[in-house]
Amino acid sequence: EAQVTQNPRYLITVTGKKLTVTCSQNMNHEYMSWYRQDPGLGLRQIYYSMNVEVTDKGDVPEGYKVSRKEKRNFPLILESPSPNQTSLYFCASSLTSGRALGNPSTDTQYFGPGTRLTVL
Amino acid sequence: AQSVTQLGSHVSVSEGALVLLRCNYSSSVPPYLFWYVQYPNQGLQLLLKYTSAATLVKGINDFEAEFKKSETSFHLTKPSAHMSDAAEYFCAVGGGYQKVTFGTGTKLQVIP
Repeated sequence: EAQVTQNPRYLITVTGKKLTVTCSQNMNHEYMSWYRQDPGLGLRQIYYSMNVEVTDKGDVPEGYKVSRKEKRNFPLILESPSPNQTSLYFCASSLTSGRALGNPSTDTQYFGPGTRLTVL
Repeated sequence: AQSVTQLGSHVSVSEGALVLLRCNYSSSVPPYLFWYVQYPNQGLQLLLKYTSAATLVKGINDFEAEFKKSETSFHLTKPSAHMSDAAEYFCAVGGGYQKVTFGTGTKLQVIP
């Protein structure tokens, strides 16, 4: 089954304690992204990756790091979490960049189930 | 710079009625535009995307959107609402799935 998995699904932590949220996809996709979702703000892109060792910043990269050492994994790292990083996080992957005309049923992004992070 | 404005944070329609969710965009380059749906406690699902190939875009679950450059709009429609359409809908603009900016979302309520 094609899927994007995230771990952990729920995490409560304290300010300053480094944490990593893992994201893994089993579809050999090149493109992967991280988003955060906050009430009233919608989704905002944190980082994205176009292939192994190729990453770039989204709209809200401050306080986050990513790495893409393998095609299937795209972990999100919070070196020193702060309360303003309390949020719902989603990882996504796609085979294409989304720029070509394609059937949205197949040329699509696959989203993970989300990670709810609380930083006290 | 790019941005998206979704008009109406909550929209209610009767079952069987037309669904119209409004989205206006701003982009300094020809845009790629997307509509996503998020069902309660789930991740997002892509409904459709505009890639300049055609102004009227058909997506999954009978949703459509029309790109109107003169109005900088990309409104989402569905001829007949089903109860299962109740969800939150997000419009987005970007250079593809990467470098994408989302709107703040519109929650659709379908009344029996």
